[in-house]
Amino acid sequence: KAGVTQTPRYLIKTRGQQVTLSCSPISGHRSVSWYQQTPGQGLQFLFEYFSETQRNKGNFPGRFSGRQFSNSRSEMNVSTLELGDSALYLCASSLGNEKDTQYFGPGTRLTVL
Amino acid sequence: AQSVTQPDIHITVSEGASLELRCNYSYGATPYLFWYVQSPGQGLQLLLKYFSGDTLVQGIKGFEAEFKRSQSSFNLRKPSVHWSDAAEYFCAVGIYGGSQGNLIFGKGTKLSVKP
Repeated sequence: KAGVTQTPRYLIKTRGQQVTLSCSPISGHRSVSWYQQTPGQGLQFLFEYFSETQRNKGNFPGRFSGRQFSNSRSEMNVSTLELGDSALYLCASSLGNEKDTQYFGPGTRLTVL
Repeated sequence: AQSVTQPDIHITVSEGASLELRCNYSYGATPYLFWYVQSPGQGLQLLLKYFSGDTLVQGIKGFEAEFKRSQSSFNLRKPSVHWSDAAEYFCAVGIYGGSQGNLIFGKGTKLSVKP
């Protein structure tokens, strides 16, 4: 089975721009979660989508948004980029039940200049 | 609020030596506990998980962890470290629902291995 894939792997943007990141989950997985990883704050949960609905949300501003498609692929959008948005963005997929393991993708490294 | 603490930011051990990485959690109910490993430029790989039952959990790559409810700890151990174990290790608590999300991670422990 193919693992979780994320595109692109690297991105460079400037302040004020917007960016869209993509995540393709493992086949059959219906839940996709997004995390932000920075040296200072560590790994922080952004949101989770399950069957095209946002099921859970972390404490991030509204500039961070996401969606999920009928094939479970998910996109994350960040508008009006700030320098502090520079981070590794990881997505994880699972079957979506409480005890199901989350499998992580390799991440998208976003640099905001 | 739920939280995970990994007291050691960086640990260096010699190849062949034993390893113990510490993890303490704060959570009101019985937690779901995980250890993940991250190599440079890679995502997170699950090493092992605890949901209930036997408090000593075996994982991949020769790792094990022990859940101690009285100490709110879930320490990761390996009897003999290999150079390929050099990576960053994250302990996490799994929470279903709520504002903090599915997984709450500790800040990680970076492991260096001396030849």
